[in-house]
Amino acid sequence: AIRMTQSPSSFSASTGDRVTITCRASQGISSYLAWYQQKPGKAPKLLIYAASTLQSGVPSRFSGSGSGTDFTLTISCLQSEDFATYYCQQYYSYPPAFGGGTKVEIK
Amino acid sequence: EVQLVESGGGLVQPGGSLRLSCAASGFTFSSYWMHWVRQAPGKGLVWVSRINSDGSSTSYADSVKGRFTISRDNAKNTLYLQMNSLRAEDTAVYYCARSGGYGYFDLWGRGTLVTVSS
Repeated sequence: AIRMTQSPSSFSASTGDRVTITCRASQGISSYLAWYQQKPGKAPKLLIYAASTLQSGVPSRFSGSGSGTDFTLTISCLQSEDFATYYCQQYYSYPPAFGGGTKVEIK
Repeated sequence: EVQLVESGGGLVQPGGSLRLSCAASGFTFSSYWMHWVRQAPGKGLVWVSRINSDGSSTSYADSVKGRFTISRDNAKNTLYLQMNSLRAEDTAVYYCARSGGYGYFDLWGRGTLVTVSS
């Protein structure tokens, strides 16, 4: 099974900051990678699929890049509503696997 | 409104059974693969099971294989998860989720909490 590793597991940032979250796959997954945002007590929300395609309705300050084993999620200008936990997920092969999550907290 | 609504969670003793349901509305349910994903308290997301659009093919995580059964009723626009031989480690919020044939999840329900405890 493919394992997904995110880093960091958590960090603090301020509104307006540019932040980057990294996701690494244990083997190559081409561009079969999605990113989700989850707020406390809520369901995850799809942000990006195919590594870099923005889901409809998601603000353009979110962007994704990478292919193979290394991927990044970037938020260009952090807003108050962006403080949440972010997960990557590979769908290259079964079972689908999520990273451990990155919690973005307010500094 | 396009939505998924889970139900059926609750408190169950170890070794017990529970059946979760997920009611779909606002889209053509029979066209989509459906999944269950769970999240233990304070932990990350873990994929549990999936079923294809007509119910002819299923897949399970090793941790639930042989104990859980996924099914669907396209006439009722409803997804199910029958959970038997429940263990404490099955305690989690269970989400149903839709995928469009690839493998990412573009629509999620709000989840239903399953607690396995004596």
